[in-house]
Amino acid sequence: DTGVSQDPRHKITKRGQNVTFRCDPISEHNRLYWYRQTLGQGPEFLTYFQNEAQLEKSRLLSDRFSAERPKGSFSTLEIQRTEQGDSAMYLCASSLAYAYTFGSGTRLTVV
Amino acid sequence: LAKTTQPISMDSYEGQEVNITCSHNNIATNDYITWYQQFPSQGPRFIIQGYKTKVTNEVASLFIPADRKSSTLSLPRVSLSDTAVYYCLVGAKGNEKLTFGTGTRLTIIP
Repeated sequence: DTGVSQDPRHKITKRGQNVTFRCDPISEHNRLYWYRQTLGQGPEFLTYFQNEAQLEKSRLLSDRFSAERPKGSFSTLEIQRTEQGDSAMYLCASSLAYAYTFGSGTRLTVV
Repeated sequence: LAKTTQPISMDSYEGQEVNITCSHNNIATNDYITWYQQFPSQGPRFIIQGYKTKVTNEVASLFIPADRKSSTLSLPRVSLSDTAVYYCLVGAKGNEKLTFGTGTRLTIIP
């Protein structure tokens, strides 16, 4: 097991386009989280899943954002009609019990 | 969640012991203290967690005084590879939302 994998590592998109990121958690971890991190700040919680159920969403997750974890394994985060303010690092993490493991993130640049 | 306060940045020379202190005056009875390390273009990595007194692992030590209103992460004999941002978090075990502050940017000087 190579840990939490995120794809792509980098994404440059034009404003108004839709983007989708993928996260593959550690296989036995039943909880999966998405965080967003902007330059100079710590990561901010967006949402989390227990198995396939999305149990909590932050107010940061506007209507343009949607996350899924259809089979309780990998997850996708989609941003529709991207805005320049969406430029950030999107981090995925997974856990079993209380130990988090983060992926290396997807860096999104909206131009 | 208890708010934490850490120095914005610190510099240290290679081979020295580095202590980073975090204040968490409003820590709750069931809160634990956890430290994460983050390198550029990577996600945070768990370093150590404790509730009271002292915890030590192969990477660091965590010192927590009796009132638990602060904690100190101690990194022995740092090297250039310890240059990173270090985050102090407080929260109950099982709390699904980790709340990060801005962390402490540690720079190790050759």
